[in-house]
Amino acid sequence: GQQVMQIPQYQHVQEGEDFTTYCNSSTTLSNIQWYKQRPGGHPVFLIQLVKSGEVKKQKRLTFQFGEAKKNSSLHITATQTTDVGTYFCAGRAQNAGNMLTFGGGTRLMVKP
Amino acid sequence: SAVISQKPSRDICQRGTSLTIQCQVDSQVTMMFWYRQQPGQSLTLIATANQGSEATYESGFVIDKFPISRPNLTFSTLTVSNMSPEDSSIYLCSVEVPSGSIDEQFFGPGTRLTVL
Repeated sequence: GQQVMQIPQYQHVQEGEDFTTYCNSSTTLSNIQWYKQRPGGHPVFLIQLVKSGEVKKQKRLTFQFGEAKKNSSLHITATQTTDVGTYFCAGRAQNAGNMLTFGGGTRLMVKP
Repeated sequence: SAVISQKPSRDICQRGTSLTIQCQVDSQVTMMFWYRQQPGQSLTLIATANQGSEATYESGFVIDKFPISRPNLTFSTLTVSNMSPEDSSIYLCSVEVPSGSIDEQFFGPGTRLTVL
């Protein structure tokens, strides 16, 4: 079945440093979504990417979808303590109905 | 958007018993899902709850262990049957709300289950 891998599993950064998490799918995706889960909270939708090579920005967050639609990345510029949480990618495979497969998540910790 | 509530928010149960988790949505939705999340781990889809028909279960999950009801478009229940300590986890209900070309998933607050 479809697998979605995410690296790194954990990342400690100093406040102000940049952060990137990478997501790779074993199959071609129709779209990919990103979620953020704060400690003790539930996942919250951030964005969806659909087109090959697509890049979207949300303030300090930049999301990319690979040309082959099998990988994606989330980059945070100048991290802040409010960025703390676990970031999940979730891929929807082509010809796999409505099922979203979540990556393992990257837990971001920011030292003030 | 969608606002989702879950009951109970947490429970501690004895081995061999069953617990039913309720999920209520503030609007009618077609797609409703149940996930399991071990502490510090990712989300694993248990099943898709379909209104008016049986739930569709993912590999590794069976109806006898996780019976699901979906009596209408705003409500669903998940029962964790004959519980063992391995069932200790957070159970999350989610709904998919199409918005243009985006199918955003909204999650409930989760039910934290501890089985002794």
